[in-house]
Amino acid sequence: DGGITQSPKYLFRKEGQNVTLSCEQNLNHDAMYWYRQDPGQGLRLIYYSQIVNDFQKGDIAEGYSVSREKKESFPLTVTSAQKNPTAFYLCASSPRDRGPRNYGYTFGSGTRLTVV
Amino acid sequence: GEDVEQSLFLSVREGDSSVINCTYTDSSSTYLYWYKQEPGAGLQLLTYIFSNMDMKQDQRLTVLLNKKDKHLSLRIADTQTGDSAIYFCAEAGTALIFGKGTTLSVSS
Repeated sequence: DGGITQSPKYLFRKEGQNVTLSCEQNLNHDAMYWYRQDPGQGLRLIYYSQIVNDFQKGDIAEGYSVSREKKESFPLTVTSAQKNPTAFYLCASSPRDRGPRNYGYTFGSGTRLTVV
Repeated sequence: GEDVEQSLFLSVREGDSSVINCTYTDSSSTYLYWYKQEPGAGLQLLTYIFSNMDMKQDQRLTVLLNKKDKHLSLRIADTQTGDSAIYFCAEAGTALIFGKGTTLSVSS
């Protein structure tokens, strides 16, 4: 079955460390996205990529970095520069052409990152 | 305003109808979406509506769209305890723009 996989489900990081969250999809989707979810804040866009080797900053990109070397993979690195990284991180993908047969995003099940 | 707005909480009794409201920002949005999130999980697409439609019905779900007021609503008929979750509306931009989510609590 096609889907989008995030790993790990839970991640603990010491202050000052970088950590990388994995996101892999086998849906042959061109576009991939990273969102951060905090209680009462909804989903805020960190980075997105519409094609391999290209990505764009979202609303809250500071302290984060991404790469898109393969269509299937869009890892997110939370750097030590991110002041408050404890949150639930969601990865999503979509076909680039969101026409009548392609709508909405497919989401992974999320990674909960906690700074200890 | 610049944000997609939703009320934060809704509490209903099992068997009643639930209506979740949303105000979006961009009158040129082509698609508008409703997602459901259960605890500790990702978001699941529930339904969507094209901007040239006023209403869409899908089993227990009814979506109403008022383009003039940029208002979207989701009605869940015969609400069940399994419907307890957070519901997000979203509008299509370069990336989807989500509201803060409405937590629906269903009591038996």
